[in-house]
Amino acid sequence: AQSVSQHNHHVILSEAASLELGCNYSYGGTVNLFWYVQYPGQHLQLLLKYFSGDPLVKGIKGFEAEFIKSKFSFNLRKPSVQWSDTAEYFCAVTYSGNTPLVFGKGTRLSVIA
Amino acid sequence: KAGVTQTPRYLIKTRGQQVTLSCSPISGHRSVSWYQQTPGQGLQFLFEYFSETQRNKGNFPGRFSGRQFSNSRSEMNVSTLELGDSALYLCASREGTSAQETQYFGPGTRLLVL
Repeated sequence: AQSVSQHNHHVILSEAASLELGCNYSYGGTVNLFWYVQYPGQHLQLLLKYFSGDPLVKGIKGFEAEFIKSKFSFNLRKPSVQWSDTAEYFCAVTYSGNTPLVFGKGTRLSVIA
Repeated sequence: KAGVTQTPRYLIKTRGQQVTLSCSPISGHRSVSWYQQTPGQGLQFLFEYFSETQRNKGNFPGRFSGRQFSNSRSEMNVSTLELGDSALYLCASREGTSAQETQYFGPGTRLLVL
C-alpha cells in the first residue's frame, strides 16, 4: 500500500533555529507531493507542492522543500523559524491515476522563545 | 470566495447511534473528499465524490457512507457508532479530479462518541 513516513513526531526548536522535517514516500510511479500545515485551531492549509520541474520548491512563509527522487524524499526546510511557526506539519502524496491524498502522520513543531 | 464549510462543528453521540455530517465545498468545486483525523492514525482517506459519483473509497467499514448532491454539497453518514469513531472529520474540495490539484480543507467536525 502507498504510504508516507514522517520521521519526527515532535520537534522542539528555539526561535531563529533552522528547521528540516523529513518525509519519505513509498514508490508508486509518478508522484505529486504536498506539505500542509495545521496551526492550532485552524484549518489544514497548503504550504507548498511539487509536480515536476525544479526539485526545489518554495512555498508560503519562507518554507521550501526539496524533492530527491533517488531517496523518495520531500523534506521541508526553513532557515529560521519563528514562534508563529508552531503547528503540525503534514506531508502528503498523490500518484498518477488520480489516487487520493495519502498523508503522513504529521510532525508537531513547537518553537520556543 | 468562501472557504469549505462543515456543519456541525462539534457533535456528541452515544454508541449505536448514527450521525450525518455535512460539507459545502468552495463555489465551483465539484470534487469533495472526506478524511478522518485521529491522534493515533493521523489523516485517513474515507471517500471522494465528483459529480454525485463516488470515485475513490478508503479502507473503512461499510458503516461509513457518503453522498453528493447536484450542487456539490456532500454528506457523510456513520451508522452504529463505535467509541473508535471519535475523531475530527475533515472535508476537502477541489475543482476537478486531477491529482495535481490542491485540495482545500474545511475546519472539520469533531465527533465524540460516548
